[in-house]
Amino acid sequence: DAKTTQPPSMDCAEGRAANLPCNHSTISGNEYVYWYRQIHSQGPQYIIHGLKNNETNEMASLIITEDRKSSTLILPHATLRDTAVYYCIVRAYTGTASKLTFGTGTRLQVTL
Amino acid sequence: EAQVTQNPRYLITVTGKKLTVTCSQNMNHEYMSWYRQDPGLGLRQIYYSMNVEVTDKGDVPEGYKVSRKEKRNFPLILESPSPNQTSLYFCASRGDQGTEAFFGQGTRLTVV
Repeated sequence: DAKTTQPPSMDCAEGRAANLPCNHSTISGNEYVYWYRQIHSQGPQYIIHGLKNNETNEMASLIITEDRKSSTLILPHATLRDTAVYYCIVRAYTGTASKLTFGTGTRLQVTL
Repeated sequence: EAQVTQNPRYLITVTGKKLTVTCSQNMNHEYMSWYRQDPGLGLRQIYYSMNVEVTDKGDVPEGYKVSRKEKRNFPLILESPSPNQTSLYFCASRGDQGTEAFFGQGTRLTVV
């Protein structure tokens, strides 16, 4: 699986959009971009994933660059409850190895 | 409600006393896995299972055993726990394609 690079921390004011970048310059053609988050010491929670088209769900939007070497997770209206560590992961959609390789992620602090 | 249930949530034990952490999922998922999380090291995979009676080592399998006799259960066994196995443990499951993974709430284990 390709390696990802994320900033260690970011701040965002409540009500503003939080834009979390991820670099995955060695991503392969069959690898998807997944985002998870971990609030305090709870189990990681799935947010969204995509291959090359932008994706949106009730939690967030995922913007993937045309060359697929980077992506941005957007939380459109961040709240205090969005304070968490956000992990960007790239992995193949199918395959026998069911491993999510977690990096160090980005610690997002949402403030009043 | 779709969920992964781990028990116990907290456990303090002594060195060498065998213990089992249970994990159960109600989503009929093929894939299940165990992770441990340590400060500065992130989440690391211990073992995974692709289906009943099929298990394989992850990145840090030493000192652990698993079994997969039923699809819904994937217990983690520490035959002779040592203090370096003090950690936060997570069980996860997902379907056979690259869909989202569901994580349990975690088990905080302390070995003294």
